[in-house]
Amino acid sequence: DTGVSQDPRHKITKRGQNVTFRCDPISEHNRLYWYRQTLGQGPEFLTYFQNEAQLEKSRLLSDRFSAERPKGSFSTLEIQRTEQGDSAMYLCASSLGAIEKLFFGSGTQLSVL
Amino acid sequence: QQQVKQSPQSLIVQKGGISIINCAYENTAFDYFPWYQQFPGKGPALLIAIRPDVSEKKEGRFTISFNKSAKQFSLHIMDSQPGDSATYFCAANPIKAAGNKLTFGGGTRVLVKP
Repeated sequence: DTGVSQDPRHKITKRGQNVTFRCDPISEHNRLYWYRQTLGQGPEFLTYFQNEAQLEKSRLLSDRFSAERPKGSFSTLEIQRTEQGDSAMYLCASSLGAIEKLFFGSGTQLSVL
Repeated sequence: QQQVKQSPQSLIVQKGGISIINCAYENTAFDYFPWYQQFPGKGPALLIAIRPDVSEKKEGRFTISFNKSAKQFSLHIMDSQPGDSATYFCAANPIKAAGNKLTFGGGTRVLVKP
């Protein structure tokens, strides 16, 4: 499978705990995006990287959220001190340059109890 | 603030029928309009996309109609099949702007009855 890979697929955590998600983009894709999708809604942009540089962050990305993409390959999204409102599907996407060919992973479903 | 409004929220159509989903946008800087298809437990997948220099684009059974003056665009699924049952999202992006991110509509859940 050469698509965008996300791990884990599901994560259940207690409020206040820290969680980290991983995304492996399609190889040679230089752009990597994180989106959040709540039930019954469309995905919302969180942040994106071009290679290892984080170029833009949405105001949705509070100080408790941090994303990295060391060496311009895989990316991690960490949420500290999780809150129930963080419960959502976290989607990763990658592209080679132009936004047109954006490929999404299957997401990590986070449930905060 | 929802910059892309999508309707209807849900749609039931008989096999062989036409599914029509509409979207309206506010930001005149948007110049790329894709439609995504999402199945349960999967991420969205690009279905078809259009730029504002054309009024219609067709790929197989899927057609986008675009009305720049009205700031509206729609997806038509012809000869709908049970396998088309999914959630469809319209989206928009200002390609020429510094930010490269999609603004999605709220989604339309389509159910095609056999």
